[in-house]
Parts: sequence; structure tokens; C-alpha cells
Amino acid sequence: GAVVSQHPSRVICKSGTSVKIECRSLDFQATTMFWYRQFPKQSLMLMATSNEGSKATYEQGVEKDKFLINHASLTLSTLTVTSAHPEDSSFYICSTQGGRDQPQHFGDGTRLSIL
Amino acid sequence: TQLLEQSPQFLSIQEGENLTVYCNSSSVFSSLQWYRQEPGEGPVLLVTVVTGGEVKKLKRLTFQFGDARKDSSLHITAAQPGDTGLYLCAGASWTDKLIFGTGTRLQVFP
Repeated sequence: GAVVSQHPSRVICKSGTSVKIECRSLDFQATTMFWYRQFPKQSLMLMATSNEGSKATYEQGVEKDKFLINHASLTLSTLTVTSAHPEDSSFYICSTQGGRDQPQHFGDGTRLSIL
Repeated sequence: TQLLEQSPQFLSIQEGENLTVYCNSSSVFSSLQWYRQEPGEGPVLLVTVVTGGEVKKLKRLTFQFGDARKDSSLHITAAQPGDTGLYLCAGASWTDKLIFGTGTRLQVFP
């Protein structure tokens, strides 16, 4: 099956820093990727749908100017958390779309800690 | 808003016991997937059920999709410490988005 690589796996930085997370589809051309956020001991919450060559679609309550998504190629989507604050600390996970009724393939996640 | 409620939220049992996790919604899904997630990692797919009433078995795990495609259950027979993890159901809508359940954290003690 498709393999998804997410980088970095862990980031610790100061408040006010912008952080970029990369999600690469290693053996699958992904026109659509998904970005999720997971707080401790909670489930995954969809943040946005990343579309290759066009604007991302954000879920209700997710600030598009705060969480910038770029999907410039069929194998790479990036999520940039701008001016991160401690409340942005979370586990961010990306996935590639597997198609109707097909499973998504998930990256291993990025643990973001803002001090 | 589509919601998937899982129960129980937490389950702590001894090795060898049986357990069932439930995933319920008022919405109909085109398919339902079950994942297991370990700390610091992404979810790993266990099974996909598509047809109402479908039952799938994966070794000691039995998955069932409700007749109306609104609910599902996961039954584990003779649980082992290696089954410990966060179990997530996820419903697929006709927009290809996945709606994740609230999660069930399972701890199996030796």
C-alpha cells in the first residue's frame, strides 16, 4: 500500500515561531491529502483537505491564515503553523486519500510543542 | 454535523478477557473503518466494512457493520497485552472525508 512520510516527527520551539510540517506520498500520486490534529487522549479532528494545485478546504473553526497549507506537487503537502502559541501544541497527522471506501494512509505524525 | 460516539472511552482488562467496543452514529456512512493507534504514531488500519450487516474477522478480532450502516462493533476474544492501544472507528462519507470516532483506549494487563 501507499507509504506516507511525515517530517519532522517532533518539534519544540518558542512561542511566535512559524513551523512547517511536510507530508510526502512516497509511492502514490496524491491529488488530495488530509491534515488532522489530535490533542492528548483525544481522537483525530480533521483540519483541512489539501488539494494539489488549488486552495485547501478548511473545516469549520480552523483558521486558514493560521494554518497555511500548500500542495504544490502530487507527492508533497505542507502545513505551516504561523506564529505558533502554546495552545497550538498538538499531534499533527497527515494522510493521503485512498479513494471511495478505500482506507487513507497515514503518516506517523508530528508532535509540536510550543514553549 | 456527523458524530461517531465510541463506548466505552476507556477499558482496562486482564489478559484473556473478551471485550466489545461500540461505535454509534445517527448518520449513515458509505463504509466504516477501524484503526488502532499507538502513542506517537499514526493510526493503522485494521479493517474496512462496506455492506450493512457485514461481519469480518481478523484473527481474534471480529468487526460488524450495522444493518443500517450507522453503527459498528469490534469484539476482541482473549485479549493480549499486544492489543493495548487506542481504537478508532472512522466513517467514510460520500465526500471521501473520514469522520473519526471519539476513541476507545484499551489497556490489557498481563
